[in-house]
Amino acid sequence: AQKITQTQPGMFVQEKEAVTLDCTYDTSDPSYGLFWYKQPSSGEMIFLIYQGSYDQQNATEGRYSLNFQKARKSANLVISASQLGDSAMYFCAMRGPISSGSARQLTFGSGTQLTVLP
Amino acid sequence: ETGVTQSPTHLIKTRGQQVTLRCSSQSGHNTVSWYQQALGQGPQFIFQYYREEENGRGNFPPRFSGLQFPNYSSELNVNALELDDSALYLCASSATGSGRTDTQYFGPGTRLTVL
Repeated sequence: AQKITQTQPGMFVQEKEAVTLDCTYDTSDPSYGLFWYKQPSSGEMIFLIYQGSYDQQNATEGRYSLNFQKARKSANLVISASQLGDSAMYFCAMRGPISSGSARQLTFGSGTQLTVLP
Repeated sequence: ETGVTQSPTHLIKTRGQQVTLRCSSQSGHNTVSWYQQALGQGPQFIFQYYREEENGRGNFPPRFSGLQFPNYSSELNVNALELDDSALYLCASSATGSGRTDTQYFGPGTRLTVL
């Protein structure tokens, strides 16, 4: 079974500063994918960044980067130069191995509410 | 925007009634997944459809059922509604079978309230 743990229910960051949101995972599969999504108060889940278990380098997408430490089973999201519009709920999610006939369901953590202060 | 649409946006039903939620997937995507998100929690996987067949199911009772149509759009049906079914229902589309990351792109959700 897969499990995602996000231990920070809420985080505050000053505008223009960097912030790290923690995510640890548990799985027995050697192949998996890790995702981060942003959910504003409107409710839509917005894809931010993806890291595959076999990817050699940490993923980056603009101001978002993923600090992937496989041995520690952690996949922390780093947001650089925070903006007021970054205030939202952030979810870490895992997908199991891509194999024929299996559902590629996502298992989500409980989320971290990020508030960016002016 | 992801190109994934859901209808209706909001819905109010009473206990025991039935409801149908709809989802149109992003162009080029052949897989639709449905999630239930209760207030203050992360989304929970309900089921996934690929090529019009159920391709996996989470821990939800049979009164939760679905369909996928030839154009890859999908419906989620819930019978005998219970108060605990009140939640945000999210639909996600993805492209299966192309060797890509299978990233799921979500729609805006349908907020269901059961009274």
